[in-house]
Amino acid sequence: EAGVAQSPRYKIIEKRQSVAFWCNPISGHATLYWYQQILGQGPKLLIQFQNNGVVDDSQLPKDRFSAERLKGVDSTLKIQPAKLEDSAVYLCASSLARNEQYFGPGTRLTVT
Amino acid sequence: EDQVTQSPEALRLQEGESSSLNCSYTVSGLRGLFWYRQDPGKGPEFLFTLYSAGEEKEKERLKATLTKKESFLHITAPKPEDSATYLCAVQYRGGSYIPTFGRGTSLIVHP
Repeated sequence: EAGVAQSPRYKIIEKRQSVAFWCNPISGHATLYWYQQILGQGPKLLIQFQNNGVVDDSQLPKDRFSAERLKGVDSTLKIQPAKLEDSAVYLCASSLARNEQYFGPGTRLTVT
Repeated sequence: EDQVTQSPEALRLQEGESSSLNCSYTVSGLRGLFWYRQDPGKGPEFLFTLYSAGEEKEKERLKATLTKKESFLHITAPKPEDSATYLCAVQYRGGSYIPTFGRGTSLIVHP
């Protein structure tokens, strides 16, 4: 069974630029999560989708972050404009029934 | 106030030296508690799910237990390949089952 795919793996941008991350979950997994993980900390949930719909986005900085999940499969997370404090690893995860999650390798973002 | 607290932050063991990691939580109405392992540069890898107090799960040298206030991850006779960060996450029945992660325990096992 293929795991969660993410791209790119690494990205370096300057502050005020925009960036987008892509995630393809495990086939059949209805729930998709985006997390931000700052070095030395646990993952922080940004947004949770159930199929096409948003279940929770209370910790998503909506003035600069946006996310969508088209047709209940792939998802993209965008940051525009980026700030220095956005430097982190962005993790995508999926689950079958909002229980255990399966994570992708993450995208390491560096904002200079 | 953190809902999920893991201790210690870091732990160094000699190969074969058994120990335990702790995850304490303050939320009520626990739906599930999850343990993950995270290697450097990788996403977390699922280990265990615990749903009710008294429940135990085992996998190789790892054993997870759950009480009403905390969970322990016991590591028996660890090997260097067990070195990783161990993350605990909690789901509670309110809030659409939003998972909340602790900061993790960084484990290093010396040969």
